[in-house]
Amino acid sequence: QVQLQESGPGLVKPSQTLSLTCNVSGGSISSPYYYWSWIRQPAGKGLEWIGRIYTSGSTNYNPSLKSRLTISMDTSKNQFSLKLSSVTAADTAVYYCARGAYDRSGNYRPPDYWGQGTLVTVSS
Amino acid sequence: DIQMTQSPSTLSAAVGDRVTITCRASQYIDSWLAWYQQKPGKAPNLLIYKASSLESGVPSRFSGSGSGTEFTLTINSLQPDDFTTYYCQQYNSYDMYTFGQGTKLEIK
Repeated sequence: QVQLQESGPGLVKPSQTLSLTCNVSGGSISSPYYYWSWIRQPAGKGLEWIGRIYTSGSTNYNPSLKSRLTISMDTSKNQFSLKLSSVTAADTAVYYCARGAYDRSGNYRPPDYWGQGTLVTVSS
Repeated sequence: DIQMTQSPSTLSAAVGDRVTITCRASQYIDSWLAWYQQKPGKAPNLLIYKASSLESGVPSRFSGSGSGTEFTLTINSLQPDDFTTYYCQQYNSYDMYTFGQGTKLEIK
């Protein structure tokens, strides 16, 4: 069974870059018909979709974050990453990585396997 | 962007009750709608996908319906473990998924 685990600094200073990695085990990140997402949740608030990356390397980003966001993958390490630049206190949240799927007909499944989440606090 | 509006924000019910949560999309999303359950301190857990398909391992007391812009999640015979927060999510838009604001189900 696939498992995802987020890792990265728990504290980032304002204006710096937030960097997180999602390590995938129990399955290959290169397997076709999967996409790999980032979602975040400020304390006590709802979920916000950040973006995703496909095995091909193509990405989709939340337009509200697009100018600051980079999602990439390292197939040799079976992991994918998030970089969010110029962070502010508004970027403080629990960050989740998750896996979704699609088929050859273009039918998508929403993210079904999630990491446990990692809290990132933006503060000086 | 497609906006998702859930109602109610909070719902009080008793063990054994049947409850319904509604999710409305700001534009047509066919049946590309998922429901998640989230317990405090945990990642969301997928319950329903494609509006009405029950995810493997999810109890049959959970059901989903709807298409187009209006959707519902129904929970029959509420169990103590069901009192937590639920989110809808649209995944129709190729480049941007969005969640509803959540519904907290409380014990009456």
